[in-house]
Order: sequence, then C-alpha cells, then structure tokens
Amino acid sequence: KQEVTQIPAALSVPEGENLVLNCSFTDSAIYNLQWFRQDPGKGLTSLLLIQSSQREQTSGRLNASLDKSSGRSTLYIAASQPGDSATYLCAALTQDISNFGNEKLTFGTGTRLTIIP
Amino acid sequence: ETGVTQTPRHLVMGMTNKKSLKCEQHLGHNAMYWYKQSAKKPLELMFVYSLEERVENNSVPSRFSPECPNSSHLFLHLHTLQPEDSALYLCASSQDPGAGGAIFSYNEQFFGPGTRLTVL
Repeated sequence: KQEVTQIPAALSVPEGENLVLNCSFTDSAIYNLQWFRQDPGKGLTSLLLIQSSQREQTSGRLNASLDKSSGRSTLYIAASQPGDSATYLCAALTQDISNFGNEKLTFGTGTRLTIIP
Repeated sequence: ETGVTQTPRHLVMGMTNKKSLKCEQHLGHNAMYWYKQSAKKPLELMFVYSLEERVENNSVPSRFSPECPNSSHLFLHLHTLQPEDSALYLCASSQDPGAGGAIFSYNEQFFGPGTRLTVL
C-alpha cells in the first residue's frame, strides 16, 4: 500500500528566500508524481507533474525533482513571494493491486507554507 | 465558463436532508472524479468515472451516490449524512486516452474549487 508523507507540516520563510518542500513515498513503482497547491477554502491547483521516466520538471520559479529509487520528490521554489503562501500537496500515482490493478492517486497531508513579507 | 466548476460552493444540511453536488468540466475530458478532503487527512478518492462508466468506488458509504449523465457532468447525491461527512468535496477531470481499463492514464487531473459541506 502506497503511503505518501510530507514533512514538515508547516513552514514559514521570509520573502525572497529559496525553499524546498519534501515528499516521500513508500512504493517506488509509481507512474507519476504530481504537486498541487491549495489556497484556504479552495480546490487544488495542479503545479507540476513528473512522469516516472523523468527526473525533474520546471515551471517558472518552480522546479520539481523525482528520485524513484529513494522514494523522494522535492518542490523547489525560488525567490519566494507572499502569493506563494498556500498548502502544497504531492500525490503519487501507482497501481492498486487491491482494486483489480486500477491506478490510484495517493496524496500526502501537505505542507502549509507561509511567506513572511 | 472554463475549467472545472462546482456548485454549490457551500452547503449546510441536516442529517435527514437530501442534496446533490454538481460538477461540470469544460475541458473536453472523458474522465471525472470525486474526492473528499477532511481536515488534517490526505485527500481521499471517492469515485471515478471514465467514458461515463463508474470504474472505481473506494468503499464509500451508500449515503453517497454518484451520477454521471454525460462526459461533462458529474453529480454526487447525498442523503442521511453524518456530521463526520463534513468536508471539502472536490471534483476533478482528466483526459483518459484509453477506453475503460486504465483510468488515470498518466495525465494531469484538473480540479474544481470544491464544495464545502457542513452536516449538522
């Protein structure tokens, strides 16, 4: 059974600093890994998706890396801004043996990021 | 309207009420999903529809009943809910290039804003 962990649960950093969010997963046989952000009371916004054959993806100030062998992914945010304050979730897509082999998306509990102006 | 929309955005209901949540996607996708997000718990997948057929039901209580009349619309019918069902309910869609079978097909899911449900 896939388990996804995000540590720390909360993080506060001054504006302008670079930061890294961590995501670890127990089953390395993933199809892909996604990073989302969620603003309070809102739905999820997809940020980056890394296929299992890829090592990283970049979008603007965001860079996500994937190391399947160690079961880890990181989300790097450069030059943080107050608007980056949100909860960041990672999710791993794996095959669910208990459900006839259908794919299953397993989410972590998220890291609540606060950028201090 | 673009993307994935959900109505209502907020809903308060009693335990004996019957209500429905609506999701509509304007992305031309053929797979739709219902998720539940409770406080301090990981997002939980509830139901998946691919090509308008339910392909996954993650042991969800029968008081939640999904309906997918076409590829653009998804409903979640609610009846005799419990206070612990209070949560944010999120709808998502994606493009599944396969027919039936592999439901997520390695493609990004696009989420709606969610419905905040409170059961009194």
